[in-house]
Amino acid sequence: QQPVQSPQAVILREGEDAVINCSSSKALYSVHWYRQKHGEAPVFLMILLKGGEQMRHEKISASFNEKKQQSSLYLTASQLSYSGTYFCGTSRTGNQFYFGTGTSLTVIP
Amino acid sequence: GAVVSQHPSRVICKSGTSVKIECRSLDFQATTMFWYRQFPKQSLMLMATSNEGSKATYEQGVEKDKFLINHASLTLSTLTVTSAHPEDSSFYICSARDPRGINQPQHFGDGTRLSIL
Repeated sequence: QQPVQSPQAVILREGEDAVINCSSSKALYSVHWYRQKHGEAPVFLMILLKGGEQMRHEKISASFNEKKQQSSLYLTASQLSYSGTYFCGTSRTGNQFYFGTGTSLTVIP
Repeated sequence: GAVVSQHPSRVICKSGTSVKIECRSLDFQATTMFWYRQFPKQSLMLMATSNEGSKATYEQGVEKDKFLINHASLTLSTLTVTSAHPEDSSFYICSARDPRGINQPQHFGDGTRLSIL
């Protein structure tokens, strides 16, 4: 049920780019992306509803390949504030919502 | 401001105690709410789907007699951890989606950190 994310962890220097992938074994209805800081609730970044759709939130963008049941999150020119754990979330039927395995991102000066 | 309110934020209690956690939607009526559990350095795992006016739907491996869910109104769902033990210590978080629109994200409460001594 749970989508698989890769990589599990990544360390970047400020200004570098990163890609986080989310893959599901089941057909996807929508894909959400969240960022969670330690000890806090997840913060919504963006939602993708249709295959091929791309969204952008500041310097973070995402794509959704419905046929491949995959989504990718692109972080460009990373900032220190980007550090956290990123989760994709999927809803196949539009009801139950499952989080991915998570990717820990650390941005260092 | 917050659209989903969760209380309490932190609970520390002795083994065997039952703990109730409340989740309220503030700006919308939620016929469905979700309860998650997160252990350190792990993902948020869906425990159950809380349905207003009917029984909750539990995920495989989640004991329904251990984690009692009540969704008595369109704005309130409660999770009761009965006879909690140290292994139940975790971060519990609820979410709800505003049904007024298909593009709505999940709104999360701030979570409850449960520590069983």
